[in-house]
Amino acid sequence: DAMVIQNPRYQVTQFGKPVTLSCSQTLNHNVMYWYQQKSSQAPKLLFHYYDKDFNNEADTPDNFQSRRPNTSFCFLDIRSPGLGDAAMYLCATSRVDRGTDTQYFGPGTRLTVL
Amino acid sequence: GQQVMQIPQYQHVQEGEDFTTYCNSSTTLSNIQWYKQRPGGHPVFLIQLVKSGEVKKQKRLTFQFGEAKKNSSLHITATQTTDVGTYFCAGRSPGYSTLTFGKGTMLLVSP
Repeated sequence: DAMVIQNPRYQVTQFGKPVTLSCSQTLNHNVMYWYQQKSSQAPKLLFHYYDKDFNNEADTPDNFQSRRPNTSFCFLDIRSPGLGDAAMYLCATSRVDRGTDTQYFGPGTRLTVL
Repeated sequence: GQQVMQIPQYQHVQEGEDFTTYCNSSTTLSNIQWYKQRPGGHPVFLIQLVKSGEVKKQKRLTFQFGEAKKNSSLHITATQTTDVGTYFCAGRSPGYSTLTFGKGTMLLVSP
């Protein structure tokens, strides 16, 4: 089945220790998104790739970086995690053409910062 | 910037009662989408509305898009315990390539 896969599902890191979260998709979608979701809150868009073009949200901290080496994979790098970065990180994909941009979410990676 | 307000934040109903969540945008939208997130899960796409005044139904769920394309609603008839979760609306404004999510409405259904 075509899907969005996130690894790992749970990640524990130490304060200030870099961490990388990964996302892969078999949907062949041209857009990939990274969201941060804290408890009982809406997903907050961090950035997205439209094909190879990187689009950063204005309020995304510099601590968060992303890479998309090819269509199928996208990575979220947190250079120096702080306690406030503990959250669920959701990857989503969409195929933005023909006037539709339905987003398909992965299961998420829950990040704990000690 | 885009803002999407959603109310209520939380609703607790008895099984069989109806439920409605409302979404309002500060700007005219190109489309609005609805997602459901079960507890511990991830958002799952329910539906997209594009046309002014559009109404779509999925079994017990009815989705409406306002005439001005600035508001939307999701109505669930005769709720069931399987309807439990948080319902998010997400709007896309003309010229924007991304969605703005509302804060969501958490629905609890007691048997």
